[in-house]
Amino acid sequence: DAGITQSPRHKVTETGTPVTLRCHQTENHRYMYWYRQDPGHGLRLIHYSYGVKDTDKGEVSDGYSVSRSKTEDFLLTLESATSSQTSVYFCAISETSGANNEQFFGPGTRLTVL
Amino acid sequence: QKEVEQNSGPLSVPEGAIASLNCTYSDRGSQSFFWYRQYSGKSPELIMFIYSNGDKEDGRFTAQLNKASQYVSLLIRDSQPSDSATYLCAVLRWEYGNKLVFGAGTILRVKS
Repeated sequence: DAGITQSPRHKVTETGTPVTLRCHQTENHRYMYWYRQDPGHGLRLIHYSYGVKDTDKGEVSDGYSVSRSKTEDFLLTLESATSSQTSVYFCAISETSGANNEQFFGPGTRLTVL
Repeated sequence: QKEVEQNSGPLSVPEGAIASLNCTYSDRGSQSFFWYRQYSGKSPELIMFIYSNGDKEDGRFTAQLNKASQYVSLLIRDSQPSDSATYLCAVLRWEYGNKLVFGAGTILRVKS
């Protein structure tokens, strides 16, 4: 998985609790992304980062926040988890942002909000 | 209309045949096009990308791009049972900060 790890790999939590997912890379790539994948919707971008402390919103950012204090780590926080946030979350990295923006994905985190 | 559309399938082909997967996109400003393969319960793996009209070949895979008709295809020659997976099409849009927009994917089943 191109030197990308995600933790935890599985999590069950209750509605209203905060949850933090971690993405760690060893490739020293500048760009990092958080996606969620749901049946019928494909992958949808939540937030992305284009450098340390530089982040921006994606298509489905409501209810999520991110932080990137080091090149290798990108954290996704669900401030108050809801059942609609039950999903599989993937982190991705890329070296460039141009036409050859090849993104490589981590193994994913399966999150269930009860 | 979804920005990137794929037939959900499943597309069934016999072993050794050519599998043809199609993707259409709505925004003419789209610049690059990516194909990913995703096995059940696994993460997406990049197969190849294309940004010029025409064909691009990589092993058994050929990507075809027609910007005038706004579609991109992936051909898999000599299909194998191990090619059975979901194939995701993604489109890069520069004006959106070079973000990828994904289709929902096509399920391919190769029968031996």
